[in-house]
Amino acid sequence: DQQVKQNSPSLSVQEGRISILNCDYTNSMFDYFLWYKKYPAEGPTFLISISSIKDKNEDGRFTVFLNKSAKHLSLHIVPSQPGDSAVYFCAASEVEYGNKLVFGAGTILRVKS
Amino acid sequence: EAQVTQNPRYLITVTGKKLTVTCSQNMNHEYMSWYRQDPGLGLRQIYYSMNVEVTDKGDVPEGYKVSRKEKRNFPLILESPSPNQTSLYFCASSSMGPTNQPQHFGDGTRLSIL
Repeated sequence: DQQVKQNSPSLSVQEGRISILNCDYTNSMFDYFLWYKKYPAEGPTFLISISSIKDKNEDGRFTVFLNKSAKHLSLHIVPSQPGDSAVYFCAASEVEYGNKLVFGAGTILRVKS
Repeated sequence: EAQVTQNPRYLITVTGKKLTVTCSQNMNHEYMSWYRQDPGLGLRQIYYSMNVEVTDKGDVPEGYKVSRKEKRNFPLILESPSPNQTSLYFCASSSMGPTNQPQHFGDGTRLSIL
């Protein structure tokens, strides 16, 4: 059973608009969350993270929101650019056991120009 | 340039023929890890290592071995590969555990086991 779920396999957005990628988790012990971005033929690269003591973290065009009661987080990209087209992975960890990361299946984002 | 290097990038082989995928990092990182990526399943952790001579199982360790004799290297060994190990493999490293510091990933190794 997947503990981290990204239920939308793909998302298509017009350039300049907002992209919202969603992630749900089932393990209530998760307390640290990360987003990674992956281009074809490359390894994932770190994008942004959030600790469970926060409900929002912002880095430039990227903002991650965490709703602990709903066990849900989302990544907002504003404005979306064609270079943002990639696969986005959500990942979660229990900080106390922070040696392991659990990843979601990924969402393919296509930003159309 | 800071990087994680995996070799080979692509390999087609047959069932039962032992193979090793090498991983090397030049950042003096303590933590290294192996993942496999499969459609619909995302990245799943195979093994990780907190430091030299310290390794531990991830979520899908069956059929794999690792070793960490030197800080910079973390090879993945498939003693008797089977078709269900056909996958895209990534090695990653970070200065501390993956939640304390973002991981740096290699570009991946695509293995096909016939």
